[in-house]
Amino acid sequence: DTEVTQTPKHLVMGMTNKKSLKCEQHMGHRAMYWYKQKAKKPPELMFVYSYEKLSINESVPSRFSPECPNSSLLNLHLHALQPEDSALYLCASSQPGRYYNEQFFGPGTRLTVL
Amino acid sequence: TQLLEQSPQFLSIQEGENLTVYCNSSSVFSSLQWYRQEPGEGPVLLVTVVTGGEVKKLKRLTFQFGDARKDSSLHITAAQPGDTGLYLCAGATSGSRLTFGEGTQLTVNP
Repeated sequence: DTEVTQTPKHLVMGMTNKKSLKCEQHMGHRAMYWYKQKAKKPPELMFVYSYEKLSINESVPSRFSPECPNSSLLNLHLHALQPEDSALYLCASSQPGRYYNEQFFGPGTRLTVL
Repeated sequence: TQLLEQSPQFLSIQEGENLTVYCNSSSVFSSLQWYRQEPGEGPVLLVTVVTGGEVKKLKRLTFQFGDARKDSSLHITAAQPGDTGLYLCAGATSGSRLTFGEGTQLTVNP
């Protein structure tokens, strides 16, 4: 099973809303990632969790709050977002410690902020 | 800062034609991944190359990793409309980060 799942598929929210994006993987990977992707651009790294601990925060605004409840789940809590935060949010996983860092992506959540 | 230059940025060809996409860097990577992404979906891993000079074939797709592990190419033979998508190369070094190229938007017209 080489699948990373994400919910919801689509999300529309107002600037005062609080919502969460969810990601799950069943590959036994111990590293999980959040990326933001704008149209026709490569993914931009936001956060990395390794062994359930936050290891990288790419200076992401505090209105994005990640959480890793266990080794297979990753959440991204959203609050007071701006219209420019509208994008495809991707989750990925990999097995840390391997020199080739092969990452597997989920299908993404299309977020629209009104 | 590591950079991975990907070319061409856009490519529109007719069904049956061949094409090559390039990724070049001045940095050495321990591996390089190629992904294909369709609109509104996540990138799908096509291949990982790890050894300098390595060549991998996946049906009509041929991937090559440069001898010095600084560059890579993707060659598609007899392209089909189903090959349409955004192709991304991504280089790995130590740690968790991948360095992505800017992507090649491929359109194969029937």
